Amino acid sequence: DQQVKQNSPSLSVQEGRISILNCDYTNSMFDYFLWYKKYPAEGPTFLISISSIKDKNEDGRFTVFLNKSAKHLSLHIVPSQPGDSAVYFCAASASNNDMRFGAGTRLTVKP
Amino acid sequence: DARVTQTPRHKVTEMGQEVTMRCQPILGHNTVFWYRQTMMQGLELLAYFRNRAPLDDSGMPKDRFSAEMPDATLATLKIQPSEPRDSAVYFCASGWALAGNEQFFGPGTRLTVL
Repeated sequence: DQQVKQNSPSLSVQEGRISILNCDYTNSMFDYFLWYKKYPAEGPTFLISISSIKDKNEDGRFTVFLNKSAKHLSLHIVPSQPGDSAVYFCAASASNNDMRFGAGTRLTVKP
Repeated sequence: DARVTQTPRHKVTEMGQEVTMRCQPILGHNTVFWYRQTMMQGLELLAYFRNRAPLDDSGMPKDRFSAEMPDATLATLKIQPSEPRDSAVYFCASGWALAGNEQFFGPGTRLTVL
C-alpha cells in the first residue's frame, strides 16, 4: 500500500526558476515529513523536514509546505541550480518511528 | 566523519544462490532500517530494528528473506534462495529512535540475480 505518493516521476526546470515537487499521503497518523535527495550511486541524504504542527519550514533555497487538510506537502527550490538535479524522495513518519517513502521524482535543472 | 557502510557495493549472483548483505550503522544510533529501491515502488521498507530488536519486518518476503542484528555494529540482510525479481538496490539506514528523526543512509548494495 502506497501511503506516500509522488505522482510525478520527473520534472524539468530551467536554471534560476522555481522547482516545485509534490507529495501526497493517505495516513492521517503521520506527524513528521521529510525530503531526501539522492544522487546516482549514492544513498539518499536528508534535505529538509517539517512537523505536523507547522505549515511551512524554510532552509535557504528550500521551503517545504504542509497542507494537513489536503494531506499534501510540497518542496520548493528557488532559484533552482544544475547541482539540484537529483531524485527527491518524500517521506512521512508516525510516532512509532516507522518511515514510509514515496517513489521519488527525478528533477533535472537545465543550464 | 561518521557514516553508514554497506558491503558489498555490487553483487551479481545466479538464481537460487544465497546472498548476504552487511551494514555497519553509525556508532550510537539505535535504529537500523533496510530498504529496497525499485523503479516502480521507490524505497520500500523491508525491516527495521530498535536496540537490535526487530520491530517490523512485514515488508519482507518471509520465506526467503531474513534480517538480523548480531551486534550493535552489524546488521545483515539475507536472501535464500535468490530470484531474478530480487534484483534491486538495497539500502541500510540508521538513526535515533525519535519520531521524525532523519535517517542516515548507506551507499547501497546493487544486487543482480541472473
